[in-house]
Amino acid sequence: DAGVIQSPRHEVTEMGQEVTLRCKPISGHNSLFWYRQTMMRGLELLIYFNNNVPIDDSGMPEDRFSAKMPNASFSTLKIQPSEPRDSAVYFCASSLMGIQNIQYFGAGTRLSVL
Amino acid sequence: QKEVEQDPGPLSVPEGAIVSLNCTYSNSAFQYFMWYRQYSRKGPELLMYTYSSGNKEDGRFTAQVDKSSKYISLFIRDSQPSDSATYLCAMTLNQAGTALIFGKGTTLSVSS
Repeated sequence: DAGVIQSPRHEVTEMGQEVTLRCKPISGHNSLFWYRQTMMRGLELLIYFNNNVPIDDSGMPEDRFSAKMPNASFSTLKIQPSEPRDSAVYFCASSLMGIQNIQYFGAGTRLSVL
Repeated sequence: QKEVEQDPGPLSVPEGAIVSLNCTYSNSAFQYFMWYRQYSRKGPELLMYTYSSGNKEDGRFTAQVDKSSKYISLFIRDSQPSDSATYLCAMTLNQAGTALIFGKGTTLSVSS
């Protein structure tokens, strides 16, 4: 299995621009999680989906952030407009609901907003 | 008080040392406890998984959970330079597709 695939690996953008991060979960997994990691706050959950349905988006910082999961094999996290404080590493993880809740992480997208 | 507290370190030890990493938590309802290892510029990967209280051993790694004290530990025996990474504890209420709550991670460096 190829594991969780995230793209792009690195993104550098200017303040005010729209940023779209992409995630392909492991085939057959039915839960998908978006996390953000910073030195100050560690790894924080932004939103997660079960069977393509958003379950908890309480970690989404503000309305500038949105996430979609149009089908079982694809999810996006969008930031519009981006701000320098959004600079972080964004991880996507997937799991098979009910099976020990083991989450498998992608390699992450390193976002820099200038 | 944060739900999960973990000393960020850094922790530096010589090769062969026994390493002890710890987390405390505040929510007594947590049932599933995990340790993830994260190498620099990589995603976290699961290292150990424990349900409720008790010990679990896997090679050089031992995970301990003490629910009465709300305290979990990871021990690494005969540490190797390849163990140099950030170790994150994580926990959750149940296994039915719920989010994990992570500690901030402890950075470990093992010198040869």
